[in-house]
Amino acid sequence: GAVVSQHPSRVICKSGTSVKIECRSLDFQATTMFWYRQFPKQSLMLMATSNEGSKATYEQGVEKDKFLINHASLTLSTLTVTSAHPEDSSFYICSATGLAGGVEFFGPGTRLTVL
Amino acid sequence: DAKTTQPPSMDCAEGRAANLPCNHSTISGNEYVYWYRQIHSQGPQYIIHGLKNNETNEMASLIITEDRKSSTLILPHATLRDTAVYYCIVRVTGANSKLTFGKGITLSVRP
Repeated sequence: GAVVSQHPSRVICKSGTSVKIECRSLDFQATTMFWYRQFPKQSLMLMATSNEGSKATYEQGVEKDKFLINHASLTLSTLTVTSAHPEDSSFYICSATGLAGGVEFFGPGTRLTVL
Repeated sequence: DAKTTQPPSMDCAEGRAANLPCNHSTISGNEYVYWYRQIHSQGPQYIIHGLKNNETNEMASLIITEDRKSSTLILPHATLRDTAVYYCIVRVTGANSKLTFGKGITLSVRP
């Protein structure tokens, strides 16, 4: 399958700081990228959908001003958690699909811990 | 809400076939059945998908009933590394089409 990477894999930050997570499709052009969040012992929850060059579409209840998504190229999307607080601590996972919305491939995830 | 139902857990012996069931009685004609798995603290891994015909790849086989209301994922020779949460998801194919994850089924492969 296609390869999607995330960086960093793990980040610890202080409350009030901002954290940027990168998601890259390594061997295909990702027209659409998705960002998910997963709390312990729960399933993945979709946060937002982004298309290259367009504004992201956020799911209900997800604050777009807090979770900034940029999809500037066909291989890179970034999620910035602004003014992070302990309740933002979670496992953040991105995924990507190529043309025609085929199979969605996932990155390895980023563990965010806000102190 | 997820459009599929799966048992919460099952186990099987290493080396034996693991048959994971999934019900999707409200599936639409243009929705595919996708299977992913998630090993602890990792991102989900794509396994297989199908519309109505049975599918097989190097990882698994997918058997879809004729009425498409249920399916079974078959891991022919389960190994300890197959222990994971397996998600059955129905989804249309198309730009911006979303995956909705339910609770999945936890498969435990025992030695």
